[in-house]
Amino acid sequence: EPEVTQTPSHQVTQMGQEVILRCVPISNHLYFYWYRQILGQKVEFLVSFYNNEISEKSEIFDDQFSVERPDGSNFTLKIRSTKLEDSAMYFCASSGTGASGANVLTFGAGSRLTVL
Amino acid sequence: DQQVKQNSPSLSVQEGRISILNCDYTNSMFDYFLWYKKYPAEGPTFLISISSIKDKNEDGRFTVFLNKSAKHLSLHIVPSQPGDSAVYFCAASGATDSWGKLQFGAGTQVVVTP
Repeated sequence: EPEVTQTPSHQVTQMGQEVILRCVPISNHLYFYWYRQILGQKVEFLVSFYNNEISEKSEIFDDQFSVERPDGSNFTLKIRSTKLEDSAMYFCASSGTGASGANVLTFGAGSRLTVL
Repeated sequence: DQQVKQNSPSLSVQEGRISILNCDYTNSMFDYFLWYKKYPAEGPTFLISISSIKDKNEDGRFTVFLNKSAKHLSLHIVPSQPGDSAVYFCAASGATDSWGKLQFGAGTQVVVTP
C-alpha cells in the first residue's frame, strides 16, 4: 500500500538552529500538508500546499516556517530558527483529488523534533 | 480552540463487545467528518468518514453516525478486537476551509481487553 515517508524520525537541535524535515508524499497525490502535535496536545494544522504554492496556513505557521517542493517527489518543512516551543511531532500528509478524496489525508509516521 | 471535542480520554472494552466513541463539534460550517486511528510511533491512519448530507456510513466493523442538530458524531466498532487498541481521533473540515485542513479532537485511547 502506498505510504508517506518522513525523515528523520527524530531530530535533536539547539535553539536557534535551522531544521529541515523531509517528506515523500504518495506519488499521485496533489495536495500536501504539515501538521504537528505537541506532547499532550491535539494534532494541529500548519500548512497546506497545492500546485506549488501554499493554499492555506495557520497562525502557527509564521515567518520562521517555510515549505518547499524542490523536486517531483520531496516536500520539506524548514524551521529557520528553532525555539523551545517548536518541540513536537511533525506529521506530513498528502491527499488525492476530488472533494472527499482531498479531505482523506494519508499521514506519515512523523518526525519528532526536540529543541534544547 | 475547542471546535472539535472528544470528552472521553479513554475507553476500555471487552473483546467482542461494541466500542462507542463520541465526538462533539461547535462549528456549524463543518461539512465533512473523519475518524483516524493512531498506534504509538505511527501517524494517524484513516478509518472512515461521513459527509454532512448523510447521517450514517458503514464500512465493515466500523459505523459512523452523524447527528447534525446535536452537532454530534459517534464511531461504533463491532465487534471490538485486540488490534483495535489505539488512540482514535475525530476530525472535521468546513466548506470554507481548504481541502485537507482538518480540526482534530484530543483523541480517545481505546483498550480492548481479552
